[in-house]
Amino acid sequence: GEDVEQSLFLSVREGDSSVINCTYTDSSSTYLYWYKQEPGAGLQLLTYIFSNMDMKQDQRLTVLLNKKDKHLSLRIADTQTGDSAIYFCAERREDGGSQGNLIFGKGTKLSVKP
Amino acid sequence: EADIYQTPRYLVIGTGKKITLECSQTMGHDKMYWYQQDPGMELHLIHYSYGVNSTEKGDLSSESTVSRIRTEHFPLTLESARPSHTSQYLCASSEWGGFNSPLHFGNGTRLTVT
Repeated sequence: GEDVEQSLFLSVREGDSSVINCTYTDSSSTYLYWYKQEPGAGLQLLTYIFSNMDMKQDQRLTVLLNKKDKHLSLRIADTQTGDSAIYFCAERREDGGSQGNLIFGKGTKLSVKP
Repeated sequence: EADIYQTPRYLVIGTGKKITLECSQTMGHDKMYWYQQDPGMELHLIHYSYGVNSTEKGDLSSESTVSRIRTEHFPLTLESARPSHTSQYLCASSEWGGFNSPLHFGNGTRLTVT
């Protein structure tokens, strides 16, 4: 299929780890991104991973990539109430049809309960 | 911090009015984009541009038009607004060339057509 798939909702307790999952479709994708959108704002780039990497860690964020299964995950350690937002997974496809544009998932709304 | 600005942040207008949503970036990015974000959070690419005098239609058909007379400016125009145009509109920019060119987003314009 053409879609980047994400579950729509995730609820966790403050201090727990959050894991947001994403499946993408194009094995030729070069870069995969995670964006965060807070209420009333645009999208903010959180992190990205190149397709020849398995893992990338940046402070509380860990990105895991399983290229065989086309599965990407974002783990947020010690989740805080300020992490409540919508998280978008995106892939950059290099096929001619998308002109190298990013293809976004529908977003996962993370709710953090105190 | 990305320097991309959208005005107005909020706009409420009546049916049939002509409107222009402004987007400017100060990063010298060649590529710019307009996304429409529906209430279900999903992002739809409606227009993009590779540079001055370049405009392309995105994945989602839109009655809006865009222009790119200057590198830093990418306005979106609706000649005759309708209630179906009610949505959040997000502008973004990226460097042109190279595989890793993440998008930088503005804070969006929330348009309501009554």
